[in-house]
Amino acid sequence: EIVLTQSPGTLSLSPGEGGTLSCRASQSVNNNLLSWYHQKPGQAPRLLVHGASIRATDIPDRFSGSGSGTDFTLTISRPEPEDFGVYYCQQYGNSPRTFGPGTKVEIK
Amino acid sequence: QVQLQQWGAGLLKPSETLSLTCALYGGSFSVYGWTWIRQPPGERPEWIGDILHTGDNNYSPSLRSRLTMSEDTSKRRISLRLTSVTAADTAVYYCVLSDHSTEYWGQGTLVTVSS
Repeated sequence: EIVLTQSPGTLSLSPGEGGTLSCRASQSVNNNLLSWYHQKPGQAPRLLVHGASIRATDIPDRFSGSGSGTDFTLTISRPEPEDFGVYYCQQYGNSPRTFGPGTKVEIK
Repeated sequence: QVQLQQWGAGLLKPSETLSLTCALYGGSFSVYGWTWIRQPPGERPEWIGDILHTGDNNYSPSLRSRLTMSEDTSKRRISLRLTSVTAADTAVYYCVLSDHSTEYWGQGTLVTVSS
């Protein structure tokens, strides 16, 4: 099973100041099938990016994903107050699908 | 507008069977596929399994021996059945519908296993 690690554990961002979240896989993710999710307390996760770099429907362009193989990043540029919460990466190129432990994002 | 509505028992005793159903309102039932995800309190999400429109199911190895997932196309719903539950199965359970560009999540069902 592929193990995903995420860094940093917590990220503090100022509105308008971008930041980068990292997701590293213990082995190469087939076809770069990696997605990013955003979860706010009491809500279901929301898909932001799939296929490493493809924004999901209705996701604003301040979210961008990149990477391949074992190293992936999610960049939040010009963060908005509603972007607080936990961000998870998930790989679905290899079975079983696995999730990373999450990065908590705080908006100052 | 696509909406997923889930229901099922929220409190179980150890060794009982967890049963959840998820119904689709709006949209097309035969899109990319269905997934069940669960999330223990304060933890990361955990993949349970996929129902693909090809008719194949793909289950988590750690749950496979206790797990059954099925779909009823005529009723536009899917079901999850997990036998012999323990406290480790306590989590919020979500159904997820995927197409090629987005996902739709159910509202989540908190299932607590306690004697």
